[in-house]
Amino acid sequence: DQQVKQNSPSLSVQEGRISILNCDYTNSMFDYFLWYKKYPAEGPTFLISISSIKDKNEDGRFTVFLNKSAKHLSLHIVPSQPGDSAVYFCAASEELGALNFGKGTSLLVTP
Amino acid sequence: GAGVSQSPSNKVTEKGKDVELRCDPISGHTALYWYRQSLGQGLEFLIYFQGNSAPDKSGLPSDRFSAERTGGSVSTLTIQRTQQEDSAVYLCASSLIGQGTSPLHFGNGTRLTVT
Repeated sequence: DQQVKQNSPSLSVQEGRISILNCDYTNSMFDYFLWYKKYPAEGPTFLISISSIKDKNEDGRFTVFLNKSAKHLSLHIVPSQPGDSAVYFCAASEELGALNFGKGTSLLVTP
Repeated sequence: GAGVSQSPSNKVTEKGKDVELRCDPISGHTALYWYRQSLGQGLEFLIYFQGNSAPDKSGLPSDRFSAERTGGSVSTLTIQRTQQEDSAVYLCASSLIGQGTSPLHFGNGTRLTVT
């Protein structure tokens, strides 16, 4: 039973534009939400996180927005760069619980 | 290096054989996780060790899968009587403490192919 859903398997964006990756979840007990980035043949690397007490967290070009009432979060990358091309995984957990991952969205940033 | 180390990086085995996958977490990290990623799928949670607590085994797909963590450090994931559907990349991760307060650091995974 997929508790974290990324409904767009792929996304293509032009360099310099904004990339918006979306994620929905079903478990209202989730307290922590994270985004991971994965290049081929490597493990996922942590990108940015947000706790349920916030609705926005920003780190450089990356911003995560959380809408708890809609059980939805999104990752904004602006401006997008070709090096951002990777698979992005959304993840969520209850406090001290295991992370539940979505199936990922493959982002391609074209020059 | 100081990252999570997994071995082997690749493993090809015949159906029915047992395999052991090893994970060396980052020193001092109390939490250790095993996930797997099958072709075209997301990261599937398998098992989670947190300190001295009983592991959360809720993600193990069958009783052919088991894992242990010795001395609170190295972990071994064992798959008995492997099947072709076990073919996947098995990822280990560790974190300093609990999930949300400390992001997971992943190894590069073990690619398991069952022929």
